[in-house]
Amino acid sequence: QVQLKESGPGLVQPSQTLSLTCTVSGFSLTSYSVHWVRQHSGKSLEWMGRMWSDGDTSYNSAFTSRLSISRDTSKSQVFLKMNSLQTEDTGTYYCARNIRGSLDYWGQGVMVTVSS
Amino acid sequence: DIQMTQSPASLSASLEEIVTITCQASQDIGNWLSWYQQKPGKSPQLLIYGATSLADGVPSRFSGSRSGTQYSLKISRLQVEDIGIYYCLQAYSAPPWTFGGGTKLELK
Repeated sequence: QVQLKESGPGLVQPSQTLSLTCTVSGFSLTSYSVHWVRQHSGKSLEWMGRMWSDGDTSYNSAFTSRLSISRDTSKSQVFLKMNSLQTEDTGTYYCARNIRGSLDYWGQGVMVTVSS
Repeated sequence: DIQMTQSPASLSASLEEIVTITCQASQDIGNWLSWYQQKPGKSPQLLIYGATSLADGVPSRFSGSRSGTQYSLKISRLQVEDIGIYYCLQAYSAPPWTFGGGTKLELK
């Protein structure tokens, strides 16, 4: 069955780089795009960017040049890297699969705290 | 960026009641609108895609509609398990996709 699972450090120091991995199963990264979505505690959802099935990427300009998404199709993994982290980057980060302009499967999310 | 204005921000309703949540898009987004339910501590779950199509496994009491740039999610007979936060998402213009601010649905 389709599954996505995020992994990464729960605590990151300010100004450091966040590295997250989304490991997928049950589908191919060359057939579906995978998106990253962030949620601040008690707040709405924020679309961050996506890895297209052809390997191209799109980003939310709100993250300017801090954000980078890549993948390893052989390992069925999509990576998120975001630098210059600040306390306002604290939140839960999700990866999700795109189909028909919607996000049909989501990972469980990984909570990230930015603090010294 | 396309703005999605969701209302109400919170809603209290009784069991079996009809509940309607709306999202107003700042410009035409066609049918590139989906709805999600999120329960505490859980990931969002897809309910409706393409503005009106029911996602697999979602109860038929959920429905979506569109009137111009206004989109609605309707729960025909509220059940206990429907309590949570609901979000709309536009996928017409990317980047970025944009979510509505959310509607917290509680039992009266």
